[in-house]
Amino acid sequence: AQKVTQAQTEISVVEKEDVTLDCVYETRDTTYYLFWYKQPPSGELVFLIRRNSFDEQNEISGRYSWNFQKSTSSFNFTITASQVVDSAVYFCALSEAGGSGNTGKLIFGQGTTLQVKP
Amino acid sequence: DTGVSQDPRHKITKRGQNVTFRCDPISEHNRLYWYRQTLGQGPEFLTYFQNEAQLEKSRLLSDRFSAERPKGSFSTLEIQRTEQGDSAMYLCASSLGRREDEKLFFGSGTQLSVL
Repeated sequence: AQKVTQAQTEISVVEKEDVTLDCVYETRDTTYYLFWYKQPPSGELVFLIRRNSFDEQNEISGRYSWNFQKSTSSFNFTITASQVVDSAVYFCALSEAGGSGNTGKLIFGQGTTLQVKP
Repeated sequence: DTGVSQDPRHKITKRGQNVTFRCDPISEHNRLYWYRQTLGQGPEFLTYFQNEAQLEKSRLLSDRFSAERPKGSFSTLEIQRTEQGDSAMYLCASSLGRREDEKLFFGSGTQLSVL
């Protein structure tokens, strides 16, 4: 069964600290896609990053970076030099290719609430 | 504003009443999704459309729930005979539907409270 687990319920850091959000996933598919979304208090989920299962190269995009490891089924997300505006709920999500192509349907984790204090 | 629009933002209703939500996706997007999110949880998939065709429905979508996308543009989600357990945030999302790893664009949601 497909499942996404975010073990950290809440994280609190002080501005300018680096923070890593953990994500562990389960899937039987060999082709799948992983995402991170941010949900600020306004409620609208905002796309942050994505990674394909066949590309384990880790990248940095501005203050965001991610560590994808298939061997441990983990897709961790790091914010460098956190800012107060980063305070939000962060969701890891899984999308499977499926036999008939990708439906775009996302399976979300429970979310991690990040509070960045000034 | 060219984002996903949802109406209303908040809905308070009494148990047993019917409610209908509307979602206007980004205009060129072929796919439209409905999700439900309860407090402290991640969004859960309910159903999705490719143009006007409803292609998949979750087990969460009981027979009291019905969704339509009549002309492949806006969509409505109706809940009949609401129950207190229906209280949640209902999120709509859309996408182009052209690539396998494409991102979804979400609306701000409709918060439903059933009294």
